[in-house]
Amino acid sequence: EPEVTQTPSHQVTQMGQEVILRCVPISNHLYFYWYRQILGQKVEFLVSFYNNEISEKSEIFDDQFSVERPDGSNFTLKIRSTKLEDSAMYFCASSEAWQGGSPLHFGNGTRLTVT
Amino acid sequence: QKEVEQNSGPLSVPEGAIASLNCTYSDRGSQSFFWYRQYSGKSPELIMSIYSNGDKEDGRFTAQLNKASQYVSLLIRDSQPSDSATYLCAVKEVNFGNEKLTFGTGTRLTIIP
Repeated sequence: EPEVTQTPSHQVTQMGQEVILRCVPISNHLYFYWYRQILGQKVEFLVSFYNNEISEKSEIFDDQFSVERPDGSNFTLKIRSTKLEDSAMYFCASSEAWQGGSPLHFGNGTRLTVT
Repeated sequence: QKEVEQNSGPLSVPEGAIASLNCTYSDRGSQSFFWYRQYSGKSPELIMSIYSNGDKEDGRFTAQLNKASQYVSLLIRDSQPSDSATYLCAVKEVNFGNEKLTFGTGTRLTIIP
């Protein structure tokens, strides 16, 4: 069964450093997302991406965050200057486009630790 | 602010019994509803989707939706220890180009052998 793949599985970085989290969505999917989950808290929406542009972003997704689809397969999340509070599990997801509202399929996540 | 509310639990159910998980949502524009299972330290895994009022069954799982009451539930029959996980209710408002899922905080379910 096709799946969303994320790399790396665990990233440790120092405060103020830039990190790039990588994702390969399911190949025939058209919608891409980043979510995060701080330990013990709920899964929070960061950004959605469709047709090579951001379609929606949350308040969390400030100027320190950016997303890119550099080629036909990868989807990346960049955090320019990491803060301690950015430590979380980051999930990439993708979905098909159909009127009924297709489910999101999640990758295994990248655990980001900012020290 | 669109809200999805779940009882955080923990909910303890004996093995073989029925586990009942509940969820309410605030946005009447919501059109699609999902239950995800999340094991500790893992990603959400889709269990069920439901789009219209009534019941939808898939194996041991039954999702129930009542849009008038803004309520969605998940029943797990013949509960197994492997069902022990956090169950996330998620709601989607479908607008073209934007299909964001909003999650509840999850209900932690423990199946007691």
